[in-house]
Amino acid sequence: QQQVKQSPQSLIVQKGGISIINCAYENTAFDYFPWYQQFPGKGPALLIAIRPDVSEKKEGRFTISFNKSAKQFSLHIMDSQPGDSATYFCAAITGANNLFFGTGTRLTVIP
Amino acid sequence: DAGVIQSPRHEVTEMGQEVTLRCKPISGHNSLFWYRQTMMRGLELLIYFNNNVPIDDSGMPEDRFSAKMPNASFSTLKIQPSEPRDSAVYFCASTISHTDTQYFGPGTRLTVL
Repeated sequence: QQQVKQSPQSLIVQKGGISIINCAYENTAFDYFPWYQQFPGKGPALLIAIRPDVSEKKEGRFTISFNKSAKQFSLHIMDSQPGDSATYFCAAITGANNLFFGTGTRLTVIP
Repeated sequence: DAGVIQSPRHEVTEMGQEVTLRCKPISGHNSLFWYRQTMMRGLELLIYFNNNVPIDDSGMPEDRFSAKMPNASFSTLKIQPSEPRDSAVYFCASTISHTDTQYFGPGTRLTVL
């Protein structure tokens, strides 16, 4: 059973466009929602994270939107660049530090 | 400041052989996690340790897999005997207890022929 459902599986965006990746969860015990970015041949690296008491968090071109009632959260990449091409994973953590990953979205930004 | 160190980076072995993957967490981190990544199943948590003690090994696929953390600076994941379906990238991650950011190593790509 997938604890965190992520979509789309792949995404192609023109340079300068907005990339949007969506995730949903069911377990209300999750209390921290990080997004990881993974380049080929590398381990996942924390990109941005949010707690459920906040509806939005922005860091540079990256924004997380969080809808607690709908149990959904999304990553928006503004002004997408070719260097943003990577696989993005949403995740959710319980207080016990159990990290559940989504299935990943492969983003390709076309110059 | 060194991150999480994993060795080897690549391992090719034949079915039935024993495989040992190694991890050195970031100094001062008290929790260590082993993950497996495949195209079919994505990232899966195998086991995690807190203060060198295994806390949750429910993700370990079967008895062929075992993990140890003899001290705060070293952990191993062993597969014996290995099977082709074990082929994957294995990641180690560490974190300071009670914080939320896990730092991942570069991974070990295992191929079992």
